[in-house]
Amino acid sequence: QQQVKQSPQSLIVQKGGISIINCAYENTAFDYFPWYQQFPGKGPALLIAIRPDVSEKKEGRFTISFNKSAKQFSLHIMDSQPGDSATYFCAASIMGSGGGADGLTFGKGTHLIIQP
Amino acid sequence: GAVVSQHPSWVICKSGTSVKIECRSLDFQATTMFWYRQFPKQSLMLMATSNEGSKATYEQGVEKDKFLINHASLTLSTLTVTSAHPEDSSFYICSARDPRSAYEQYFGPGTRLTVT
Repeated sequence: QQQVKQSPQSLIVQKGGISIINCAYENTAFDYFPWYQQFPGKGPALLIAIRPDVSEKKEGRFTISFNKSAKQFSLHIMDSQPGDSATYFCAASIMGSGGGADGLTFGKGTHLIIQP
Repeated sequence: GAVVSQHPSWVICKSGTSVKIECRSLDFQATTMFWYRQFPKQSLMLMATSNEGSKATYEQGVEKDKFLINHASLTLSTLTVTSAHPEDSSFYICSARDPRSAYEQYFGPGTRLTVT
């Protein structure tokens, strides 16, 4: 059972456009929702993250929108650039019993291509 | 920023041999590190949680006798793939939880393991 569903699998956006990637989760115990960017052969890099107590968070060109009742969250990349071409993963985790979050459950990823 | 390194970045070994992968947090002490596995063009799957000074916690379906994890210090966790077989060929990525956040995880660059 996939706990975090991500769509689309691939996305092509023109330079300067808005890239939108969506995720839906099933486990209502999740309380941390990060987005990661990964280039081929590299480890994921944390882009932006949100907790369920806010509906939106913006950092530079990246915005997370969060809908707790629908159990959905999305990443918006404004003014998309060719350098943004990468694979993007949404993820979720739960605060563990030891005072820190458990390991991440990842979506399947979105391969984003920004056309110049 | 939080920096996590891995060594080696890639390794080729023969079937039946063992391989050790190191994960270090360079600028912070990490009581908790995580090990993930990523097959080509797929998502990251959590293998185990590594806590300093205690036994690792393995995810369901991960053989603890095959994937030995040691977290002997606050900056180093190791993953040893014992009696490796071609099906163990994968991209192994570690992450370290930032103690200042309780949620944020920073990933290493990954280790590409190829078993011939």
